[in-house]
Amino acid sequence: EPEVTQTPSHQVTQMGQEVILRCVPISNHLYFYWYRQILGQKVEFLVSFYNNEISEKSEIFDDQFSVERPDGSNFTLKIRSTKLEDSAMYFCASSDFGTGAYEQYFGPGTRLTVT
Amino acid sequence: AQSVSQHNHHVILSEAASLELGCNYSYGGTVNLFWYVQYPGQHLQLLLKYFSGDPLVKGIKGFEAEFIKSKFSFNLRKPSVQWSDTAEYFCAVRGSGTYKYIFGTGTRLKVLA
Repeated sequence: EPEVTQTPSHQVTQMGQEVILRCVPISNHLYFYWYRQILGQKVEFLVSFYNNEISEKSEIFDDQFSVERPDGSNFTLKIRSTKLEDSAMYFCASSDFGTGAYEQYFGPGTRLTVT
Repeated sequence: AQSVSQHNHHVILSEAASLELGCNYSYGGTVNLFWYVQYPGQHLQLLLKYFSGDPLVKGIKGFEAEFIKSKFSFNLRKPSVQWSDTAEYFCAVRGSGTYKYIFGTGTRLKVLA
C-alpha cells in the first residue's frame, strides 16, 4: 500500500538555524499538508498546498515558514530561523482529488528538537 | 472558531472490556469526521470516517463510531478491546469549504493483558 514518507525521522538543530523537513507524498495525490504536534498538545494544521501554491495556512505559519514542491515527488517545509518553541513533531499528509481530497494520509513524522 | 474536544485523555482497560471514547466538535456547517490511531512509533492511521449517510460507521480492527448530529458528537466504540489496541486515538473534523483537519487532543489508551 502506498505510504507518505518523511525524512529525517529526527532532527536536532540550534536556535536560529534553518531546517528543511522533507516529505514524499503518495504519488498520484494532489493536495499536500503540514501539521505539527508540540509534545503533550494537539495536532495543529500549518498549511495546505495545491497546484503549486498555498491554498490555506494557519496563524502559526508565519514568515519563518515556507513550503515548496521542488520536483514531482518531494514536498518540503522550511523553517528559516528556528526558535525553541518550534520543537515539535511535524507530520506531512497528502490526499487525492475530488471527494478523495477529504481523506488525508499521514507520514510517520519528523521530530524536530531545537536547542 | 472550530474546535474538537476529546474528554478522555488517558484510558486504562483490561482486555475484553468495552471501549467508548468521546469526541465532540464545534462547527456549524457540514462536516466530515475521522478517527485516527497512532500506535507507538508509527504514523497516524485512519480507523474510520464519516462523510454522509448511515451515522453508524464501521472501521478497521472492529472499531465503529456513531455520528449524532444533534449532539455534535462522533464517539468511537469497540465492544472488546485487545492488548494490541494500546495506542493514541485522535478525533478529527473537516468543515465544508476547507481541506484542513481540526484535531482533538488525543486519548491514550492502555489495554492491560
